[in-house]
Amino acid sequence: GQNIDQPTEMTATEGAIVQINCTYQTSGFNGLFWYQQHAGEAPTFLSYNVLDGLEEKGRFSSFLSRSKGYSYLLLKELQMKDSASYLCAVRALTTGTASKLTFGTGTRLQVTL
Amino acid sequence: DAGVTQSPTHLIKTRGQHVTLRCSPISGHKSVSWYQQVLGQGPQFIFQYYEKEERGRGNFPDRFSARQFPNYSSELNVNALLLGDSALYLCASSLQGNEQYFGPGTRLTVT
Repeated sequence: GQNIDQPTEMTATEGAIVQINCTYQTSGFNGLFWYQQHAGEAPTFLSYNVLDGLEEKGRFSSFLSRSKGYSYLLLKELQMKDSASYLCAVRALTTGTASKLTFGTGTRLQVTL
Repeated sequence: DAGVTQSPTHLIKTRGQHVTLRCSPISGHKSVSWYQQVLGQGPQFIFQYYEKEERGRGNFPDRFSARQFPNYSSELNVNALLLGDSALYLCASSLQGNEQYFGPGTRLTVT
C-alpha cells in the first residue's frame, strides 16, 4: 500500500517563503507530483520529481529525496492568490504502462497580509 | 487548445439511482483516469484506462464501472447510489500516465 503525510494547514505572510513537506511510503515509486487546488476547482499541475534533487520553476521549487521518502514544495514571494490547498501525490507503477496517483489529504495554505 | 472537459458540471441524484459521468481528454492523450474527491480530502484513484483497456482500479466497489471509447473519451458509471458517493468526480488525461491534467470535475450530490 501507499501512505502519504502532509500538514493539514499552514499560514504565511504575503511576500514570505513557505515550505510544505510531504513524506511517503510506497512500492514501485515512479515520481512525485505537486498540485495546487483552489476551493471548488480542479487540481492544477505544479511540479514533478522523479530523481533526487531540486526542481525550480519560477516562484515554486520542489525537492525530492527518494531514500528518505521525502519531498517539499517551496513557495517564494508569496501572493494572496497562493492561498489554496497543495496536494502531494505519488505515482506508482502497476503493470506495463499503467500507473496511478495516490494523493495526500492536502495542505491548506492561508496567505495573510 | 481545449483542456480536459467533463459533463455535467453538477448533478443531483437520489439514493439507489445510477449516474453516468463523461470526460473528454486533451487531444492526443490516450490515458484517462478517474478520481473521487470528498470534501476536505485528496482525490482517490478509481480507474485508469489506456488505449481503451482498464489498466488500474482503486479500492471501489463493483457499483463503479467505466469504459473508454475509440476517440479516447470516457464514461464513469455508478449504480445503486449511496449518500457517501456524494463527491467531486475528477477526470485526468495524460500521455502514457505521465503528468496528469485534470478536468473541472462533476460535483455529484446524492440525496
